Amino acid sequence: RKEVEQDPGPFNVPEGATVAFNCTYSNSASQSFFWYRQDCRKEPKLLMSVYSSGNEDGRFTAQLNRASQYISLLIRDSKLSDSATYLCVVNRYGANNLFFGTGTRLTVIP
Amino acid sequence: EAEVAQSPRYKITEKSQAVAFWCDPISGHATLYWYRQILGQGPELLVQFQDESVVDDSQLPKDRFSAERLKGVDSTLKIQPAELGDSAMYLCASSLDRGNSPLHFGNGTRLTVT
Repeated sequence: RKEVEQDPGPFNVPEGATVAFNCTYSNSASQSFFWYRQDCRKEPKLLMSVYSSGNEDGRFTAQLNRASQYISLLIRDSKLSDSATYLCVVNRYGANNLFFGTGTRLTVIP
Repeated sequence: EAEVAQSPRYKITEKSQAVAFWCDPISGHATLYWYRQILGQGPELLVQFQDESVVDDSQLPKDRFSAERLKGVDSTLKIQPAELGDSAMYLCASSLDRGNSPLHFGNGTRLTVT
């Protein structure tokens, strides 16, 4: 089983819609969680860290569910500029590095 | 905002040739990573440095890939000889510490092997 799994999509949503992505992780010892955004042929950029109590940054809300071992990203009022691939990243306690999901592709349609 | 510098941005090489990539992390970041990303997939770790020491190179194809970070600052990743399957984006990233801090990526080097 992969360390981190994401639905690759694509998710095609109209402008203004609300869309949510989930990401599951396999190791219960995982302790740090992040969402990255990656535009086509560009480098990944940190979108937000995910905290145990959940956190919000403008139109973006991240949640962590340790019992079910998943994190989620909710985007409200989608903009055309939100079109990108969203990567889930998980750190496992005792591991030296971060594990990336394959990414979920989002296209926001006018 | 401080950035991770990588060069070159693009590289085209013939198979069996040698190729090298350079990375300068954000100042003060002790941890440096080299990732390879194939189109449509997530980044995969090749090698991780803590200062000048390699802490994880388990996924690095050591018969043809090598990496160094001699003074614990900038780093070089080399492929010799390059193979067609090496065509990918090579991403360098740095972080303050191992695992708990987010990674900051450079622009990447897009390698095409012909």
